[in-house]
Amino acid sequence: AQKVTQAQTEISVVEKEDVTLDCVYETRDTTYYLFWYKQPPSGELVFLIRRNSFDEQNEISGRYSWNFQKSTSSFNFTITASQVVDSAVYFCALSEASGAGSYQLTFGKGTKLSVIP
Amino acid sequence: GAGVSQSPSNKVTEKGKDVELRCDPISGHTALYWYRQSLGQGLEFLIYFQGNSAPDKSGLPSDRFSAERTGGSVSTLTIQRTQQEDSAVYLCASSPRLASGELFFGEGSRLTVL
Repeated sequence: AQKVTQAQTEISVVEKEDVTLDCVYETRDTTYYLFWYKQPPSGELVFLIRRNSFDEQNEISGRYSWNFQKSTSSFNFTITASQVVDSAVYFCALSEASGAGSYQLTFGKGTKLSVIP
Repeated sequence: GAGVSQSPSNKVTEKGKDVELRCDPISGHTALYWYRQSLGQGLEFLIYFQGNSAPDKSGLPSDRFSAERTGGSVSTLTIQRTQQEDSAVYLCASSPRLASGELFFGEGSRLTVL
């Protein structure tokens, strides 16, 4: 069975601080995909990134970066120089590459990030 | 609009009543998903459709829940004899293809069962 754990329920940072959101996953598959989604106060989840299990290269997109480490089953998300607009709930998710598990994302419970001006 | 549209956005009902939640996916998206979001519980997968077919209904919480999709487009999630524990936000998402993982979500239907 697949499982995603986001141990941080809520985080508050002051604007311009860097913040890292942790994600730890469990899966028996060797091929899988990892995701991050953002849910701003408006409520609509927005896709941020998808990584496959064979690509451990870190990825950077503007102020966002992702660190994927298979050795620790982690897929952490860092926001550099945080802004108030980054305030949202962030979800990490996992799907398997084949079988029934490939048709659904298993989400963590989310981390609520509050960026204080 | 071009996004996933869900209705109603808010629904308050009495225990024991039936409710229908509607989802209009992005045009051309073949895959459609229903999730339930409860406070502190994250997102719970309910069911997915590939076209009009729902191969796996095991995610539905009970036999009071059913879903259908017609014309490869609009989907309806029906909850019969609602219970208070059904109170949640029901999210619909669509995707250009099954198993891509890149889901486009609607704003959800908030259901409150009194």
